[in-house]
Amino acid sequence: QQPVQSPQAVILREGEDAVINCSSSKALYSVHWYRQKHGEAPVFLMILLKGGEQKGHEKISASFNEKKQQSSLYLTASQLSYSGTYFCGPNSNTGKLIFGQGTTLQVKP
Amino acid sequence: DAGVIQSPRHEVTEMGQEVTLRCKPISGHNSLFWYRQTMMRGLELLIYFNNNVPIDDSGMPEDRFSAKMPNASFSTLKIQPSEPRDSAVYFCASSLGQGLTQPQHFGDGTRLSIL
Repeated sequence: QQPVQSPQAVILREGEDAVINCSSSKALYSVHWYRQKHGEAPVFLMILLKGGEQKGHEKISASFNEKKQQSSLYLTASQLSYSGTYFCGPNSNTGKLIFGQGTTLQVKP
Repeated sequence: DAGVIQSPRHEVTEMGQEVTLRCKPISGHNSLFWYRQTMMRGLELLIYFNNNVPIDDSGMPEDRFSAKMPNASFSTLKIQPSEPRDSAVYFCASSLGQGLTQPQHFGDGTRLSIL
């Protein structure tokens, strides 16, 4: 079953912060986050693993609540380059990612 | 370093024709994934391979779709016969391990239009 992302869309000014949430109906082993710009391929942002380990980069952080089966992506001091669609991909240890419907982020000058 | 390479980048063909999409994963990666992306259904996993063996093909829409990975450096996704509803962007991705605790690296995709 597809995870639920919220909000579906958000518009920010440069320098503002945003939080994108991802909820799954299944117990999670790990959560992937990707960003996709229009007309391009998804690009890896971060993996959160059960137990708290994170693998990521840039000025983006995330949390992973195993009990609530939720993950949140935190974008601080947003830049124009942050614009795009963000996908979460929870893994329930089934061997595959099921991606959410995406959250479209637009950062304006 | 070369990323995941997909070909063709664009394909326009008529309904009923056979379509073959190709993918070369990153060297050393042992998992390969085929995804389909549409506005209505989002990013869907069609099939994935680990060490050239198909592990899960439950996302393949129907028998018209087939995928192969004859060796570690090449995979194909075939649609025969094609239908207009198959129009989508098809992405191939590869990763180390099983792609669950390692990043998946996506190719640029093939934009397929079936007329």
